[in-house]
Amino acid sequence: DQQVKQNSPSLSVQEGRISILNCDYTNSMFDYFLWYKKYPAEGPTFLISISSIKDKNEDGRFTVFLNKSAKHLSLHIVPSQPGDSAVYFCAAYLNTDKLIFGTGTRLQVFP
Amino acid sequence: EAQVTQNPRYLITVTGKKLTVTCSQNMNHEYMSWYRQDPGLGLRQIYYSMNVEVTDKGDVPEGYKVSRKEKRNFPLILESPSPNQTSLYFCASSGSGTALYGYTFGSGTRLTVV
Repeated sequence: DQQVKQNSPSLSVQEGRISILNCDYTNSMFDYFLWYKKYPAEGPTFLISISSIKDKNEDGRFTVFLNKSAKHLSLHIVPSQPGDSAVYFCAAYLNTDKLIFGTGTRLQVFP
Repeated sequence: EAQVTQNPRYLITVTGKKLTVTCSQNMNHEYMSWYRQDPGLGLRQIYYSMNVEVTDKGDVPEGYKVSRKEKRNFPLILESPSPNQTSLYFCASSGSGTALYGYTFGSGTRLTVV
């Protein structure tokens, strides 16, 4: 049973535009939510996180929004750059000792 | 440099031949974990360890073993590999209180079992 879902396997966005990556979850007990970015032949790297008690967290071009009533979070990248092309995983912490990942969304930013 | 080091990066083996993938971290982290990444399934946790001599099963532990004799090392053991264990494996570590920053991942081990 997939507790964290990313329903869009891929997304293509023009450089300079906004990229919006979505993630849904089923377990209301998750403490924190995180986004990871993964380039080919590398391990995932941490991008941004949000506590379950907040609804927004911003870091430069990256903003994560959390809608607890809808059990939905999204990552906004503005403006998108070609270097943002990667696979993005959302993940959720359960009791701070288990990190559950979504299936990933491949973002391609074209000129 | 703070890092998680996995070896080997690539491995091709035959069914039933025991193998070990090593993982070492230099950040004095208590928590370590193994994940496998498969197309359409994302990253799934195999085993994790809260500290030395403390290990527990993740979501897909069948066919794997781990040990945590030292804080820095967390090897993944496949006693009798099978083709369905062909995957991309990642080791990760985290210190206590770093929930907001998640894990530090190794670069991955691509395993092919024929």
